[in-house]
Amino acid sequence: DAKTTQPPSMDCAEGRAANLPCNHSTISGNEYVYWYRQIHSQGPQYIIHGLKNNETNEMASLIITEDRKSSTLILPHATLRDTAVYYCIVRVNGEGSQGNLIFGKGTKLSVKP
Amino acid sequence: DSGVTQTPKHLITATGQRVTLRCSPRSGDLSVYWYQQSLDQGLQFLIQYYNGEERAKGNILERFSAQQFPDLHSELNLSSLELGDSALYFCASSRYRVPNTEAFFGQGTRLTVV
Repeated sequence: DAKTTQPPSMDCAEGRAANLPCNHSTISGNEYVYWYRQIHSQGPQYIIHGLKNNETNEMASLIITEDRKSSTLILPHATLRDTAVYYCIVRVNGEGSQGNLIFGKGTKLSVKP
Repeated sequence: DSGVTQTPKHLITATGQRVTLRCSPRSGDLSVYWYQQSLDQGLQFLIQYYNGEERAKGNILERFSAQQFPDLHSELNLSSLELGDSALYFCASSRYRVPNTEAFFGQGTRLTVV
């Protein structure tokens, strides 16, 4: 079962920042937070991941709370092409763990003009 | 383009039949993962292979099997097909046995069982 809770849907105006929350209150110390998105039945696409520090790349920023029980994915300037289902996943890295991703239901983000 | 190639893109077959889905991972990736996505179940992990050996198994039915060949491509075999097997089947690949970063997904095979 997925270890995360996300709102089922969110709307965002084009050009504005999209802030997608994720709760992972049972996260363990060695579990990373990953974000993927899936645009209309295409293959899921990796966005970003982090352990406890905030992370930023060309696609998004990931803000993880100090207690690591929740995080927020930020798309700084959402476009219509960012309309997708966004999945927040927690997973252990390193030897001894399985590499598969456990997807929940995600958040359906609709970017509107 | 993720670099992961899945064939065929679409497949329509009858109940009781057997089909084979093919996946070519990104160059240099040793792990291959198979996922099933149906309307009511979301993305479900089926199985992982690493360098030719089964590494992890998820919710894969006994009617389904997979293998990874020496050239690292993988095939997912689905037999005695039922209407409920209609779904999108995704393959993903990553460099290591346990990915430290991201997995790359193909565009999927849409299987329709009639």
